[in-house]
Amino acid sequence: KAGVTQTPRYLIKTRGQQVTLSCSPISGHRSVSWYQQTPGQGLQFLFEYFSETQRNKGNFPGRFSGRQFSNSRSEMNVSTLELGDSALYLCASSLTTGGTEAFFGQGTRLTVV
Amino acid sequence: AQRVTQPEKLLSVFKGAPVELKCNYSYSGSPELFWYVQYSRQRLQLLLRHISRESIKGFTADLNKGETSFHLKKPFAQEEDSAMYYCALAPTGGFKTIFGAGTRLFVKA
Repeated sequence: KAGVTQTPRYLIKTRGQQVTLSCSPISGHRSVSWYQQTPGQGLQFLFEYFSETQRNKGNFPGRFSGRQFSNSRSEMNVSTLELGDSALYLCASSLTTGGTEAFFGQGTRLTVV
Repeated sequence: AQRVTQPEKLLSVFKGAPVELKCNYSYSGSPELFWYVQYSRQRLQLLLRHISRESIKGFTADLNKGETSFHLKKPFAQEEDSAMYYCALAPTGGFKTIFGAGTRLFVKA
């Protein structure tokens, strides 16, 4: 079956702009989580969605938001981009939530200039 | 507070030597614990989980509730084991998987 698909793979934006990243989970998976990966900080949890509801949120400013659609696809939005937002953004899907294996996409590499 | 600590950012061993990647966690309940691996230019993927108690690619991990540890071990490291390893904790029935900062394993020939 198809894996987790993230689009776009690469993105270059300027400071102050906004960006929307997309994630299509594995068919049948209802939980989608987002992570920010940087060399210095490792994997930082952003938020998780299950059945179109945000179930948990990490310690990121309100500029980071997301949503999940009825087909479980998810989008993440970052407004007023800052240089420090440059990172690899990973999406992971799970069959259910809590205690189940997470399947990761290849990520979207965001560069803010 | 839930936390996963991987004290080593980089671990370098020779091929054939034993390897142990350390992971300690902080959680008041009974968590599910995982090791994920990211090989160069590949996506992050599950290596093993504690409830399955299996050996994957020669790696094993034992949950020690007394020491709140879940160290990853392999008796004889191979060059292809070189990768980034993340320990992760998922509270049962919860909504958030927490990852450690990761340990980069480098196996030298």
